[in-house]
Amino acid sequence: AQSVSQHNHHVILSEAASLELGCNYSYGGTVNLFWYVQYPGQHLQLLLKYFSGDPLVKGIKGFEAEFIKSKFSFNLRKPSVQWSDTAEYFCAVGGSQGNLIFGKGTKLSVKP
Amino acid sequence: NAGVTQTPKFQVLKTGQSMTLQCAQDMNHNSMYWYRQDPGMGLRLIYYSASEGTTDKGEVPNGYNVSRLNKREFSLRLESAAPSQTSVYFCASSPGTSGVPGAYNEQFFGPGTRLTVL
Repeated sequence: AQSVSQHNHHVILSEAASLELGCNYSYGGTVNLFWYVQYPGQHLQLLLKYFSGDPLVKGIKGFEAEFIKSKFSFNLRKPSVQWSDTAEYFCAVGGSQGNLIFGKGTKLSVKP
Repeated sequence: NAGVTQTPKFQVLKTGQSMTLQCAQDMNHNSMYWYRQDPGMGLRLIYYSASEGTTDKGEVPNGYNVSRLNKREFSLRLESAAPSQTSVYFCASSPGTSGVPGAYNEQFFGPGTRLTVL
């Protein structure tokens, strides 16, 4: 069965620091990969997605992610975080039934 | 365009009570999903409906039933609530197989229902 691992449970950064959140998935075939963000008290919103093509994908709010097939990784990055980026971030891989298989999430706290 | 809507937003039940969580989408999506979110566990799939008239179990279906009432609506029922079902429940929809590679996995989420079972 497919699975997703997010290695950091809670990340604390100061504003303007760079961010990288790790995500690894287990499936070795064609994968569809996603990062979702959940701001406090809100529902999940799509940050970015990878289906095929350029392995460096850009999303909303200055986020980007790089798909590295050889490492089964899809890490999320942002060069300079803001206080408003405080949220929980979920990596997900597309399942065979159209569902999403989520990692356990990484909480990001940005100190002003 | 409201997207995905869920009712109620909050609910408190006593052990053994039943209730139905409602979900509707106005994006003409084929597929709909119910997830539960628990601290430190991410989101786990309860049930899904790949298309109108079909439903299938996900990772954690025990204690739940679903109905795909029509293309727009997908309800989740707890017949006899237990404290272990205290969670936040999210409904999601996706286009389903649309010919666009990978697009069928992209899901749109509702605002969630926070359920507490005492």
